Amino acid sequence: SQTIHQWPATLVQPVGSPLSLECTVEGTSNPNLYWYRQAAGRGLQLLFYSVGIGQISSEVPQNLSASRPQDRQFILSSKKLLLSDSGFYLCAWGGGNQPQHFGDGTRLSIL
Amino acid sequence: SQQGEEDPQALSIQEGENATMNCSYKTSINNLQWYRQNSGRGLVHLILIRSNEREKHSGRLRVTLDTSKKSSSLLITASRAADTASYFCATPPWTGANSKLTFGKGITLSVRP
Repeated sequence: SQTIHQWPATLVQPVGSPLSLECTVEGTSNPNLYWYRQAAGRGLQLLFYSVGIGQISSEVPQNLSASRPQDRQFILSSKKLLLSDSGFYLCAWGGGNQPQHFGDGTRLSIL
Repeated sequence: SQQGEEDPQALSIQEGENATMNCSYKTSINNLQWYRQNSGRGLVHLILIRSNEREKHSGRLRVTLDTSKKSSSLLITASRAADTASYFCATPPWTGANSKLTFGKGITLSVRP
C-alpha cells in the first residue's frame, strides 16, 4: 500500500533562517506531488506541484522553492524565512482527476 | 481565485442528527472531491463524484452533484462525535493543468455527544 511521510511534525525557526521540509512517498511510482500551506482556520493554498523529477510548477510567488531530486521525494525550501511563512505545511500525492493523499503536516512557527 | 466555497462555515449538531454541508463552484468541472481534516492532521479523501454522476454513497456519507447549479452537498447521516472535523470540497480545473486541485475554505463540523 502507498504511504506518505512528512517531517518534521513541528518546527520553530527564527526569522531569516533557512528551511528544509522533506516529503517521501512509498508504494507508488511517478506520483504527482504537491506542497500546500494552510493558515490557521483557513483553506489550503497550493504552493508547488510536480508531475515528474525536476519538474516543478510554482503557484504563488514567494521566498519558498521546491525541488524533486528523486521520483518519490519532494522538498520545500527557503533561504530566509519571513514571519509570514508561519503555517501548517502539507505534502500530498495524487492528482486532480483522482484523490490526493496527504501527509500529517509540519507546523512551522517563525519567531 | 476560490473555485469551491463551502456553506455553512460552521455547523454544530447533536450526535445522531444528520449533517448537511454544501459546496458551490464557479466553472465547469470533471469531478468534485470531499475531504475531512481532523484538528492538526492532514486531509483524508472521503469521496469523488464525477461530473456525469448525480449521487454517490459511501457508508454514512452521501454526496450529490448538480452541475446545472454548480453545487454539491455532503450528507453525513447519524453523526457521531468522531465526525467532528473540518470538511473541504475540491475541484480540478476543467482544462489545462488538471493535475491540481483547488480547495474551498472548509466547514467546521462539531458533533456534540
